[in-house]
Amino acid sequence: QITLKESGPTLVKPTQTLTLTCTLSGFSLSSSGVTVGWIRQPPGKALEWLALIFHDDRKRYRPSLKSRLSIMKDTSTTQVVLTMTNMDPVDTGTYYCAGGRYNTGYYQIFFDAWGQGTLVTVSS
Amino acid sequence: QSELTQPPSVSGAPGQRVTISCTGGSSNIETGYHVHWYQQLPGKAPKLLIYDNTNRPSGVPDRFSGSKSGTSASLAITGLQAEDEADYYCQSFDDTLTVWVFGGGTKLTVL
Repeated sequence: QITLKESGPTLVKPTQTLTLTCTLSGFSLSSSGVTVGWIRQPPGKALEWLALIFHDDRKRYRPSLKSRLSIMKDTSTTQVVLTMTNMDPVDTGTYYCAGGRYNTGYYQIFFDAWGQGTLVTVSS
Repeated sequence: QSELTQPPSVSGAPGQRVTISCTGGSSNIETGYHVHWYQQLPGKAPKLLIYDNTNRPSGVPDRFSGSKSGTSASLAITGLQAEDEADYYCQSFDDTLTVWVFGGGTKLTVL
């Protein structure tokens, strides 16, 4: 059974750095054709992709947030960590980690396993 | 504003068929990037419904189907059930913005 579980703070202050951890179970980030991504959802709004990491440690970031984001995986590939600097109230929302796959090129990624999400509120 | 445009809401009576459109452009759907669909029940994480335009993951009922043509894609739901009431999102890749992009979401109401 594949599970992904996010963990991290529920409340951060403006200008602080957010660190979220995604713990994988039954999902291996050591194979080609597989990726783990972070996707967020402001309250009442649409999903927004943030970052991806692949089995070979390639990384992709949302261009508008690239200077604030960092994604990494541990050597056992059972955890993926997202850091986001200089948090602002507009960054408030539910943050999901998701397991992704692609069959014909990594641009064709789809997310077939999702964590439950963690609500992060940015407020002083 | 998303690069993929969905109607904010659709509705249908139990047993009916509804379709949800996802309109893109030359930098995403028309280029050949696949469209994927997700269902998000209230208060829950999204769930993959359709991948690579037309494929259903194991366990997804065949009442759900996807299609793609030109600059747009569609999700069709037949035999509408109360449990289908949810938000639905399309997703693809945009090579101008270089982002994996989601549509703005469509709220399905079962009357």
